[in-house]
Amino acid sequence: DIVMTQAAPSVPVTPGESVSISCRSSKSLLHSNGNTYLYWFLQRPGQSPQLLIYRMSNLASGVPDRFSGSGSGTAFTLRISRVEAEDVGVYYCMQHLEYPFTFGGGTKLEIK
Amino acid sequence: QVQLQQSGAELVRPGTSVKVSCKASGYAFTNYLIEWVKQRPGQGLEWIGVINPGSGGTNYNEKFKGKATLTADKSSSTAYMQLSSLTSDDSAVYFCARTARATAMDYWGQGTSVTVSS
Repeated sequence: DIVMTQAAPSVPVTPGESVSISCRSSKSLLHSNGNTYLYWFLQRPGQSPQLLIYRMSNLASGVPDRFSGSGSGTAFTLRISRVEAEDVGVYYCMQHLEYPFTFGGGTKLEIK
Repeated sequence: QVQLQQSGAELVRPGTSVKVSCKASGYAFTNYLIEWVKQRPGQGLEWIGVINPGSGGTNYNEKFKGKATLTADKSSSTAYMQLSSLTSDDSAVYFCARTARATAMDYWGQGTSVTVSS
């Protein structure tokens, strides 16, 4: 199975500042079709997860452009600029390249 | 609008089974896959498996083979997950999510809490 690692269990941030959340995969998520099958989700407290970024760098519908995704085949970053209180929650990366699909352990964004 | 409406919370006895439903609306049910995810209290997300409602084809996480059975009813646009031989380890919230190859898991159900207790 592909192992997804989010090294930081939590990240504190001051409103208005920017923050980066990292994720690594044990195998390249770059498909031969040129797409990288890495996804980012936000789970706010008491809610279902919400898709933020698909195929590493594409913003999901309705997601503010303060969110952006980047990376290589095995190292990925979710960047949130101008953090707001509503951004609080747990951020998960997920590989959707091969079965079984796997999630990172999550990084909790906390407001200072 | 796209919606995935899951069935309500369940309190079930150890050793029994439970069937969770996920009713889709607002899109063509057979044009998307349905994935299922487990979340134990205070824990992360764990992928259970996926079903193609059009063909009935499934793929399971090895960990959930023999535990979860995924089915779908095209006539009612509803996906189901049956969990069998329940133990306390199965107490969790279970989510369904819609998937296309391009934008995986773009819509999620609200989750169904399953509590296994005698």
